[in-house]
Amino acid sequence: EAGVAQSPRYKIIEKRQSVAFWCNPISGHATLYWYQQILGQGPKLLIQFQNNGVVDDSQLPKDRFSAERLKGVDSTLKIQPAKLEDSAVYLCASSNWGQGNTGELFFGEGSRLTVL
Amino acid sequence: SQQGEEDPQALSIQEGENATMNCSYKTSINNLQWYRQNSGRGLVHLILIRSNEREKHSGRLRVTLDTSKKSSSLLITASRAADTASYFCATGNNNAGNMLTFGGGTRLMVKP
Repeated sequence: EAGVAQSPRYKIIEKRQSVAFWCNPISGHATLYWYQQILGQGPKLLIQFQNNGVVDDSQLPKDRFSAERLKGVDSTLKIQPAKLEDSAVYLCASSNWGQGNTGELFFGEGSRLTVL
Repeated sequence: SQQGEEDPQALSIQEGENATMNCSYKTSINNLQWYRQNSGRGLVHLILIRSNEREKHSGRLRVTLDTSKKSSSLLITASRAADTASYFCATGNNNAGNMLTFGGGTRLMVKP
């Protein structure tokens, strides 16, 4: 089966500019996650969707970050305006937990953002 | 905030040796998972252990879970150079819709 697709793989922008990342989860996976991974650290959950509803977004900086999952499939994560500290890899993952499965996450390759 | 904390942060061993990584966490969990990440890549699921299990094996991997101590360990036996990667534990909370919280990771280097 096809894996989790993310784009773009790399993005370089200047501070105060905006950027958007796209994720296409594994077909049939109801749960979709966006994680932020700063160099040398573990992934930090930004937002979790179940179908097109938000399960948790407590660590999403809502003054500048937004995410949506229209129709419960693809998702986009937007940052506007970007700050230097937003430089990180943005990882998308999906899971079919709750559909009789164990709940392991399948990750995409990530989108690496550099803010100058 | 990160739920799990791995120890050690970095580990360097020779090929053929065993590698042991530890993970401690703070709150109650439904399951604990281990993931591997090669440099510049996404994370790959290795193994999941449920809160009512104490030990699990998968190939050269052995995971233990002690819920009374809120800790887990991952043992990789007979390590290979290809095992060089970062390893992360993640605690699962099914009450929050399978929310996974990751630790800071152990960077393993296996020298040929």
